[in-house]
Amino acid sequence: AQSVSQHNHHVILSEAASLELGCNYSYGGTVNLFWYVQYPGQHLQLLLKYFSGDPLVKGIKGFEAEFIKSKFSFNLRKPSVQWSDTAEYFCATANQAGTALIFGKGTTLSVSS
Amino acid sequence: EPEVTQTPSHQVTQMGQEVILRCVPISNHLYFYWYRQILGQKVEFLVSFYNNEISEKSEIFDDQFSVERPDGSNFTLKIRSTKLEDSAMYFCASSTGLAPLPQFFGPGTRLTVL
Repeated sequence: AQSVSQHNHHVILSEAASLELGCNYSYGGTVNLFWYVQYPGQHLQLLLKYFSGDPLVKGIKGFEAEFIKSKFSFNLRKPSVQWSDTAEYFCATANQAGTALIFGKGTTLSVSS
Repeated sequence: EPEVTQTPSHQVTQMGQEVILRCVPISNHLYFYWYRQILGQKVEFLVSFYNNEISEKSEIFDDQFSVERPDGSNFTLKIRSTKLEDSAMYFCASSTGLAPLPQFFGPGTRLTVL
């Protein structure tokens, strides 16, 4: 069964620092990978997704992720974080039928100004 | 921008009581989902629903749970006899199609079972 694992539970950064959050997925055939963000008090929002094509995917708010097939990784990056990026970040994949998302445990990002 | 809405935002109930959580998916979406997140744990899939029937359910979604689309706009999750361990945040989501098409999530209902 598909699964994703996120290595970092809590990341603390200063503003303008670079960000990389790790995500590894188990291969189950079709690749559908997502990063969602949940800002404090808000709902889950899609940052970006990958299913085929260019392995470097650009999302909203300056985020990007790189799909590396050989490493089974889909890490999220941002060159310079802002205080407003403080949130919980979830990596997710879809099951084979595409009918369900399977989430990682999430990474809490705290950015100090 | 259209959004998924959920009511109530917080529901407190006694163990053994029935609860109904309500969701209004985005209007042109065809697939509907429920997820839950127990405090401190990952978001877990419960059920997906398409064309007035369940298309997928997880092992969490046992006989105590049911879903319904009672009219053209609402999508509900019913828990027949709540247990303490049902306390969680319940998220509704909807999409126009299957993955990789994205799912759009509502703000969640926090269910507290006493």
